[in-house]
Amino acid sequence: QSALTQPASVSGSPGQSITIFCTGTTSDVGDYDHVSWYQHHPAKVPKLIIYDVTNRPSGVSGRFSGSKSASTASLTISGLQTEDEAEYYCTSYSNRGTLAVFGTGTKVTVL
Amino acid sequence: QLQLQESGPGLVKPSETLSLTCTVSGGSLSCLNYFCYWGWVRQPPGKGLEWIGSVFYRGTAYYNPSLRSRVTITADTSKNQISLRLASVTAADTAVYYCARLYSSTWSLDYWGQGTLVTVSS
Repeated sequence: QSALTQPASVSGSPGQSITIFCTGTTSDVGDYDHVSWYQHHPAKVPKLIIYDVTNRPSGVSGRFSGSKSASTASLTISGLQTEDEAEYYCTSYSNRGTLAVFGTGTKVTVL
Repeated sequence: QLQLQESGPGLVKPSETLSLTCTVSGGSLSCLNYFCYWGWVRQPPGKGLEWIGSVFYRGTAYYNPSLRSRVTITADTSKNQISLRLASVTAADTAVYYCARLYSSTWSLDYWGQGTLVTVSS
């Protein structure tokens, strides 16, 4: 089962907005609105920041937003801050018998 | 507050079996009024997160095809624990291993353990 495809890296200056794309197939992202995004700082536990494509868990900054079009989901970080520098991963429900599939991960750098 | 804690050997010899346990506290493996699964995720040094698989509290398990031939995930409701066994390990299995709750209403990993580093070396 192939992982969801993400760009290896994305960068932006403080205050700017960046968008990370996550491309899957009709077995996952394309047919299900169960796309989640995680923020992972080095040596920390991954943190759920978006679920079901657009929803933020309680306590997650409104600067994080998600959307989806066909088989590609996206995460937008607005008003980029230095604390946003981390790895970001998407996941999706998959009907291929594994329940979930991870994205390849994107390193966000704040210039 | 739900808490997950991984435990197990930090060093495993090549060709042997890696065994980890995740103890769940502050909640039940059955999740009472809704469905949830319990999964394992790993991150090799310098690489991304990799989905290993998950188990329903009644025992049905689902695995990443790339690891299916070597992995077994089980649930023990009497101990409120899930377990991971990965056979015939090599250096490529060196990673931080996390257990997490997969909430089936949203299919998101909403609670995570702290992770445990397992090194495969002779």
